[in-house]
Amino acid sequence: DAEITQSPRHKITETGRQVTLACHQTWNHNNMFWYRQDLGHGLRLIHYSYGVQDTNKGEVSDGYSVSRSNTEDLPLTLESAASSQTSVYFCASSDPLAGGYNEQFFGPGTRLTVL
Amino acid sequence: AQSVTQLDSQVPVFEEAPVELRCNYSSSVSVYLFWYVQYPNQGLQLLLKYLSGSTLVKGINGFEAEFNKSQTSFHLRKPSVHISDTAEYFCAVRGGTSYGKLTFGQGTILTVHP
Repeated sequence: DAEITQSPRHKITETGRQVTLACHQTWNHNNMFWYRQDLGHGLRLIHYSYGVQDTNKGEVSDGYSVSRSNTEDLPLTLESAASSQTSVYFCASSDPLAGGYNEQFFGPGTRLTVL
Repeated sequence: AQSVTQLDSQVPVFEEAPVELRCNYSSSVSVYLFWYVQYPNQGLQLLLKYLSGSTLVKGINGFEAEFNKSQTSFHLRKPSVHISDTAEYFCAVRGGTSYGKLTFGQGTILTVHP
């Protein structure tokens, strides 16, 4: 079965370190998204991509970057981790040609703690 | 731009009671509406969606939602809840021109007590 996976599931890092969170999907979806989930804020969009070599900033993109070199993967990089980036991170994907009008499929999440 | 407001951050109910989780949206264009559920330590999964047509939408696990354009609402309902329905529920909207991007509400934590 097709799926979307994230790794690691849990990560503890120190302030100032560079961290990369992996997202891999086997749906062959063109659209991929990164969100962060914080209490009281729901899910907020960090970055998104509509295809290979395409990346776009979301509403909370400061301090984060992404790159899309193939259809399956969209890694999220924290350039210099800050305590404010402690959060749960979700990756999602969707098929722009599907009849479901871009229903998104979510990964299991990565819990990141920045000390 | 669109926005979503979930009117209740927490909803406690007893098992077998009915429940309604409220969602209001704002958008200047036609919308597509979604409800997702998140069980503890898991990702989000789709409960139901409104794209067009009938305003009453039925989803998985006995949930349904009604799209009300005049009140810009998309409330989620279930006539009789189970302990296993304890989870966080998110309402989301996609505006007609936002090409796949969803805007999520803040979430409502539903706790079902025995």
